[in-house]
Amino acid sequence: GEDVEQSLFLSVREGDSSVINCTYTDSSSTYLYWYKQEPGAGLQLLTYIFSNMDMKQDQRLTVLLNKKDKHLSLRIADTQTGDSAIYFCAERNTGNQFYFGTGTSLTVIP
Amino acid sequence: ETGVTQSPTHLIKTRGQQVTLRCSSQSGHNTVSWYQQALGQGPQFIFQYYREEENGRGNFPPRFSGLQFPNYSSELNVNALELDDSALYLCASSLVGGFTDTQYFGPGTRLTVL
Repeated sequence: GEDVEQSLFLSVREGDSSVINCTYTDSSSTYLYWYKQEPGAGLQLLTYIFSNMDMKQDQRLTVLLNKKDKHLSLRIADTQTGDSAIYFCAERNTGNQFYFGTGTSLTVIP
Repeated sequence: ETGVTQSPTHLIKTRGQQVTLRCSSQSGHNTVSWYQQALGQGPQFIFQYYREEENGRGNFPPRFSGLQFPNYSSELNVNALELDDSALYLCASSLVGGFTDTQYFGPGTRLTVL
């Protein structure tokens, strides 16, 4: 099955940029996603990128995709304390099934 | 708010019992997927329904079953509950064939098996 990996923890100072990384194994992935989950809550879609794109920017969020290396990253500019949460990357296969990473816990230090 | 609702919010059952969880999809969506999220883990894909038919299944035993209704609401049924079934159960709806086929998640049902 598909394997999606993320580092477990990231800590940054308020105002700095955060970069969360993800690697995946399924080369037939069509879309890749970033979701945010706050404590006790469901998943909130942040952004997505189509597999034929290299980069997508959406306000403070920048997604970079290196399809050759199967590497996806999410950059959050000017990180705020409200950005503290768990971030999941996910890939969608051609069967419209989603596979999630284990999540990266982002802590923003005031 | 995604427009996807789930009920109940929390549920406590004992080992061996059966449970039914419910999901109401976002208006216009014809696909629903169910996920199990154990504490500290990412969501694990259980199965997906498209137009009332199962359209894919993850690595879960047959005691996990589902239904999708004509109004695109859905149920997840789990028989013979085990302690390891304790988790947050998430449903997500999407519109297959839509521009992004993005899945929109509900808030989840927290199931505790004692």
